[in-house]
Amino acid sequence: SAVISQKPSRDICQRGTSLTIQCQVDSQVTMMFWYRQQPGQSLTLIATANQGSEATYESGFVIDKFPISRPNLTFSTLTVSNMSPEDSSIYLCSAREGFRTEAFFGQGTRLTVV
Amino acid sequence: AQKVTQAQTEISVVEKEDVTLDCVYETRDTTYYLFWYKQPPSGELVFLIRRNSFDEQNEISGRYSWNFQKSTSSFNFTITASQVVDSAVYFCALSATRSSSNTGKLIFGQGTTLQVKP
Repeated sequence: SAVISQKPSRDICQRGTSLTIQCQVDSQVTMMFWYRQQPGQSLTLIATANQGSEATYESGFVIDKFPISRPNLTFSTLTVSNMSPEDSSIYLCSAREGFRTEAFFGQGTRLTVV
Repeated sequence: AQKVTQAQTEISVVEKEDVTLDCVYETRDTTYYLFWYKQPPSGELVFLIRRNSFDEQNEISGRYSWNFQKSTSSFNFTITASQVVDSAVYFCALSATRSSSNTGKLIFGQGTTLQVKP
């Protein structure tokens, strides 16, 4: 099973600033994803991080607000841009080795925007 | 469109009771995977089981068992003789197989909060 490390684990940010979250997987994986989990809610997919190309965003999420990079098969970043208090949430990185496997999750980044 | 519904928002039981968490899914794909995850108060997501659409055998793992029924599009999860440590949020998830529009993403249900009281 893949082990996923996310940094930072938590942060408190000022309104209008940006935060970049890093996700490192300990093995090469085919698929990487970014989810958001608001307090007491389920996981909502932000986008699929594609290696070497633009991410695939879900409805309601746009690249200008959540730019994503994936330079190789083990690393991805998510930036939350021009933050507002509504962006306060837990952001989770996920990875799958293939369609027939389960998804693994990082421990999450707890973001508070003040 | 794919959808997962967990109609039970919260369940409270007393320790040693059996409890079943319901999961109903929707997909047009003939090949897909279903998952259950546990999210304890500490927040990490713990993988419990994966089941593919061609395997309708029920599975048992210790006190946990899963009942997959394609006829009713359900994948229910039962905990036998519940324990306080089972208190957590449980998520059911669905992933369809390869298609031009599918990236392997998991679609999650709303989650069921299970509270096991001593």
